[in-house]
Amino acid sequence: DIQMTQSPSSLSASIGDRVTITCRASQNITSYLNWYQQKPGKAPKVLIFAASSLQSGVPSRFSGSGSGTDFTLTISSLQPEDFASYYCQQSYNTPGLYTFGQGTKLDIK
Amino acid sequence: EVQLVESGGGLVQPGGSLRLSCAASGVTFSSYEMNWVRQAPGKGLEWVSYIGSSGTTIYYADSVKGRFTISRDNTKNTLHLQMNSLRAEDTAVYYCAREVDLLGFAWFDPWGQGTLVTVSS
Repeated sequence: DIQMTQSPSSLSASIGDRVTITCRASQNITSYLNWYQQKPGKAPKVLIFAASSLQSGVPSRFSGSGSGTDFTLTISSLQPEDFASYYCQQSYNTPGLYTFGQGTKLDIK
Repeated sequence: EVQLVESGGGLVQPGGSLRLSCAASGVTFSSYEMNWVRQAPGKGLEWVSYIGSSGTTIYYADSVKGRFTISRDNTKNTLHLQMNSLRAEDTAVYYCAREVDLLGFAWFDPWGQGTLVTVSS
């Protein structure tokens, strides 16, 4: 099974900060990596698919990069609505057998 | 607009059963693969099960294999998850999610609002 490890598990930042979250896969997953945002009490929402493709309607301050085993989600300038939890997900084994990272909680410093 | 609405959650005793449903609207349901994902209280996301558009291809996470059964009724635009032999560790919010596929890449969009399953005596 493919394991996904995110870091950090939690992060405190300020409005306007540039933030980077990292996701590492236990094996090469090329670009089969997605990023989701989840706010408290709400369902997750996709931000980035295929490692670097921005989902329609998602602000351009969000970006994804990486391939192989190492990936990053970057928020270029934090806005109040960005404080949430973020999860990576591998879809290398599609269909099925998907795995999520353990999540990164981003809160206000 | 695609909408997914889960139902069927509730309190059940260990060893009991529960059947979750996910009603889809605003989409040609029979064209899409579907998934169930769960989230234990205060924890991260865990993929649970996948079903292909016709219902013939199915996968489960090891944690639920042999206890849970995914199915779909394309005539009623509904996805189901039959959960048997429930354990305390199955306590979670259960989300259904449509799988989007493009050029071999897959992701989940949208997700339902979730339904809470609590396994406790």
